[in-house]
Amino acid sequence: NAGVTQTPKFQVLKTGQSMTLQCAQDMNHEYMSWYRQDPGMGLRLIHYSVGAGITDQGEVPNGYNVSRSTTEDFPLRLLSAAPSQTSVYFCATVDSIYGYTFGSGTRLTVV
Amino acid sequence: RKEVEQDPGPFNVPEGATVAFNCTYSNSASQSFFWYRQDCRKEPKLLMSVYSSGNEDGRFTAQLNRASQYISLLIRDSKLSDSATYLCVVNMDFGNEKLTFGTGTRLTIIP
Repeated sequence: NAGVTQTPKFQVLKTGQSMTLQCAQDMNHEYMSWYRQDPGMGLRLIHYSVGAGITDQGEVPNGYNVSRSTTEDFPLRLLSAAPSQTSVYFCATVDSIYGYTFGSGTRLTVV
Repeated sequence: RKEVEQDPGPFNVPEGATVAFNCTYSNSASQSFFWYRQDCRKEPKLLMSVYSSGNEDGRFTAQLNRASQYISLLIRDSKLSDSATYLCVVNMDFGNEKLTFGTGTRLTIIP
């Protein structure tokens, strides 16, 4: 049982490039979310989804897109990378018993 | 005022000592409260939920004070393995699973 799997673990992008951060879960959880973590800021919610076909914005959605075509996958797309998007990105699922389960994170640097 | 506020530390505590962290939250209607632990360069993991009656898990005790809007975490007989960042987490939005994270309190246990 892998839980929540994020890929890649590390990525360096040039300003203006686009890319997709992958997140997959095998726990059949409806709720999935993406956070970014920056020093001194705590984790901030980017986008979330309450089920396949349903997504909504979190606290810091600008510059990011998401889609949820299946229960298992919740990719995060950076449309045109900016240095301000340098961060650690965590995908998470949640259920009522175990709370939040986070993926191991993606460390993104935009140069 | 931040929605969830923690003393960032660092707390440097000798092994075997007792250490306590507090966390304040701004929304009096908040429903659920948690402490998460995050090791360096790792994902956050649930340490314990915080209930109105308080709860204890081995050396860890969590308390909730709704009147003063704070939660606390007490660690007794601290171990070297307790060194980590402790995140205060609050569900402020009844009816969905969105969480608000504090910036974390960094704890280092000194041999």
